[in-house]
Amino acid sequence: DGGITQSPKYLFRKEGQNVTLSCEQNLNHDAMYWYRQDPGQGLRLIYYSQIVNDFQKGDIAEGYSVSREKKESFPLTVTSAQKNPTAFYLCASSPRSGNQETQYFGPGTRLLVL
Amino acid sequence: AQSVTQLGSHVSVSEGALVLLRCNYSSSVPPYLFWYVQYPNQGLQLLLKYTTGATLVKGINGFEAEFKKSETSFHLTKPSAHMSDAAEYFCAVQNTGFQKLVFGTGTRLLVSP
Repeated sequence: DGGITQSPKYLFRKEGQNVTLSCEQNLNHDAMYWYRQDPGQGLRLIYYSQIVNDFQKGDIAEGYSVSREKKESFPLTVTSAQKNPTAFYLCASSPRSGNQETQYFGPGTRLLVL
Repeated sequence: AQSVTQLGSHVSVSEGALVLLRCNYSSSVPPYLFWYVQYPNQGLQLLLKYTTGATLVKGINGFEAEFKKSETSFHLTKPSAHMSDAAEYFCAVQNTGFQKLVFGTGTRLLVSP
């Protein structure tokens, strides 16, 4: 079955630690996205990538980093510089980077701080 | 800058009643509009989208939405609520020329028997 997988489902971070969230898609989509979801705030864009080896900052990129070395993979690292990382993180992809494209979402990773 | 306002963080209906979830947007150009549904601890699933053409858009699970340019609205409706409709619903807007989605803050739909 085609789709987007995110792992782990739950992730715990200690103070000062960097953690990496995995996002893999087998839909052959060009574009991929990372969103952060907080209660009552909707979804906010962290980073996006229109094509392999290219990515751009979204609205709340500070304290996060990404890479796009393969078309199917777009991992997100939450660095120690992100002071309030507790949130639900959603990865999405779309067939192309143009507008009107539907974004398809993964099941999410919930990050908690110990 | 474009933005989306969803009136009501929670909406409660009885099973079989009409569902109406409100969405208003601000955009300097004709937008593309989306409704997504999220079940607890899951990702988002597309319900329907408006790009061009017919302003009444039909989606999955019996939902539909009407684009009203004069009112800058894109309200989501369903004639008869089902218990399985209980979820959080997000309206999103996308301007032409760029694929960034701007989401509203969401409306949680509660369905009582």
